[in-house]
Amino acid sequence: GEDVEQSLFLSVREGDSSVINCTYTDSSSTYLYWYKQEPGAGLQLLTYIFSNMDMKQDQRLTVLLNKKDKHLSLRIADTQTGDSAIYFCAESIAGGYNKLIFGAGTRLAVHP
Amino acid sequence: GAVVSQHPSRVICKSGTSVKIECRSLDFQATTMFWYRQFPKKSLMLMATSNEGSKATYEQGVEKDKFLINHASLTLSTLTVTSAHPEDSSFYICSARGLGLYGYTFGSGTRLTVV
Repeated sequence: GEDVEQSLFLSVREGDSSVINCTYTDSSSTYLYWYKQEPGAGLQLLTYIFSNMDMKQDQRLTVLLNKKDKHLSLRIADTQTGDSAIYFCAESIAGGYNKLIFGAGTRLAVHP
Repeated sequence: GAVVSQHPSRVICKSGTSVKIECRSLDFQATTMFWYRQFPKKSLMLMATSNEGSKATYEQGVEKDKFLINHASLTLSTLTVTSAHPEDSSFYICSARGLGLYGYTFGSGTRLTVV
């Protein structure tokens, strides 16, 4: 089946690193994505990783993928107050229209 | 980069009326568009997928006669909520994907309130 799970809430101190975790069930996933949503807004693509990669780094963002365990994580280095938002992981299901299946979202709160 | 424009951003309508939401890809041809519904503090629920020129594919449990989707061109898809009721109040978000593009670009969402 298609299922993506995330922890719902994470609180970190400004300047620390944040790690948001995600697990998925569909082994046919081609790409996995991280999106950011600020209040009342649409989704902003942060980064994505192809399913045959283990790691991808983009400035403050590091994505780790453990395909065997179907585990994806997003690390945000030097977290800032502007990083406070909801972060969604999503998997692209191969076949058909390659629809995206989203996790429930992790609310990241950054405090001084 | 790829940009998707969604209108309106907010709409309030009376119960029993219909509301149309537009989703436009501004700088690429969207071969596939997706419509999502998001409940407060919840994830995005995929409602339907549409390809230009063909009928939309609805997810299980989504009423296709209530949520009409039209994808008449490679840059425009519309979602019409027919005979809206208060329980249809929600945040609706569209997403578009172009041929050869890896990512899915999202619109800014439409907050629908039915009174």
